[in-house]
Amino acid sequence: EVHLVESGGGLVQPGGSLRLSCAASGFTFSSSPMSWVRQAPGRGLEWVSAISESGDSTYYADSVKGRFTISRENSKNTLYLQMNGLRADDTAVYYCAKERRDYDILTGWLPPYFDDWGQGTLVTVSS
Amino acid sequence: SYELTQPPSVSVSPGQTASVTCSGDTLGVKYTSWYQQRPGQSPVLVIYEGTKRPSGIPERFSGSISGSTATLTISETQGVDEADYYCQAWDSTINWVFGGGTKLTVL
Repeated sequence: EVHLVESGGGLVQPGGSLRLSCAASGFTFSSSPMSWVRQAPGRGLEWVSAISESGDSTYYADSVKGRFTISRENSKNTLYLQMNGLRADDTAVYYCAKERRDYDILTGWLPPYFDDWGQGTLVTVSS
Repeated sequence: SYELTQPPSVSVSPGQTASVTCSGDTLGVKYTSWYQQRPGQSPVLVIYEGTKRPSGIPERFSGSISGSTATLTISETQGVDEADYYCQAWDSTINWVFGGGTKLTVL
């Protein structure tokens, strides 16, 4: 059974930094692209960042580009999100999510989707 | 920017069929995924690649695509289906995008 457990959330002042972790188990972590998705209080889901299986490729939403850094440590089955320059509108529950992508013999690689999610960790940016 | 448009709310009576729509670019919605999020819980995948249902998801949940609209259909709706539902699309330029979410109320 897949388990994704986020940690590292908390209260931080505007302009501060925080590092989130996501401990993974129950699947071959080094073979799975991963993402962070956040949800502001009372709002919808927002994709934040993604990383390839090896960590060589990373992707960011415009809202966090230049401030957040995604990374992974496959030897420890752990995903990270380093968040710098935090703002009030970064306040949200942050979920790590496992990506899955299927191959169709006629079409090729199909678009990926999130087949497993963690329980989330709350980040509050406030003075 | 790319957007997926969902109705903010849908209401349905127990035992009836609920439909939640998601409108966007024709190519983008072709492989739409759907997630269910009950209050206080993490999202759960209920439909992927437009029409496929993961193991463990009841057969009452189905997905369809017509033109630029993806639809999540829940037949014989039950109280446990009351939740927020999000559609999601992906392509190599936009990466991931979610719809605004639809609150399903089972009256």
